[in-house]
Amino acid sequence: GQQLNQSPQSMFIQEGEDVSMNCTSSSIFNTWLWYKQDPGEGPVLLIALYKAGELTSNGRLTAQFGITRKDSFLNISASIPSDVGIYFCAGYSGGGADGLTFGKGTHLIIQP
Amino acid sequence: DSGVTQTPKHLITATGQRVTLRCSPRSGDLSVYWYQQSLDQGLQFLIHYYNGEERAKGNILERFSAQQFPDLHSELNLSSLELGDSALYFCASGITNTGELFFGEGSRLTVL
Repeated sequence: GQQLNQSPQSMFIQEGEDVSMNCTSSSIFNTWLWYKQDPGEGPVLLIALYKAGELTSNGRLTAQFGITRKDSFLNISASIPSDVGIYFCAGYSGGGADGLTFGKGTHLIIQP
Repeated sequence: DSGVTQTPKHLITATGQRVTLRCSPRSGDLSVYWYQQSLDQGLQFLIHYYNGEERAKGNILERFSAQQFPDLHSELNLSSLELGDSALYFCASGITNTGELFFGEGSRLTVL
């Protein structure tokens, strides 16, 4: 089946730093999505990308849909304490039946 | 608040037992997806229902089953429980063909 390779697995940063994480796939996706999960909560949709090359922002978050349709990245600028959590990339092939394929997550930790 | 409601939030049971997890999708969403999240496996797709009918199966064990009722709520039944079934179980709903899924807060199952 399809697999997503998400990196890095974890990040230890200082407040105010910029963050970058990415996801690659062996298969093409029609949609790339980024979710954030806080402890004890369900994943929350941050950004959805629908077109190869698309660059989309949501506040301090920026994500891009790779030209090959096999990769995506997420940047967070000027990190703040509430950015702590696990970020998941997800790919959607279209057709609706199988839902999303998820990466294993990037655990973001902000050091005081 | 995603609009997706899951009950119970926590469940502790013994090996060999059977449990039922319940999900109410967002108003207007016909699709319900079930995912399992464990520490070493990330978010794994289990099964998808659309308007009462099963649309796709993922890595769902034969001991597990699901259904979607006419009012669109869904139930995930887990039987002959094993220690390894301990995990977070998420329900998600969304508009089919966009790839955007909205997750409930999950049901944490602990099998002792």
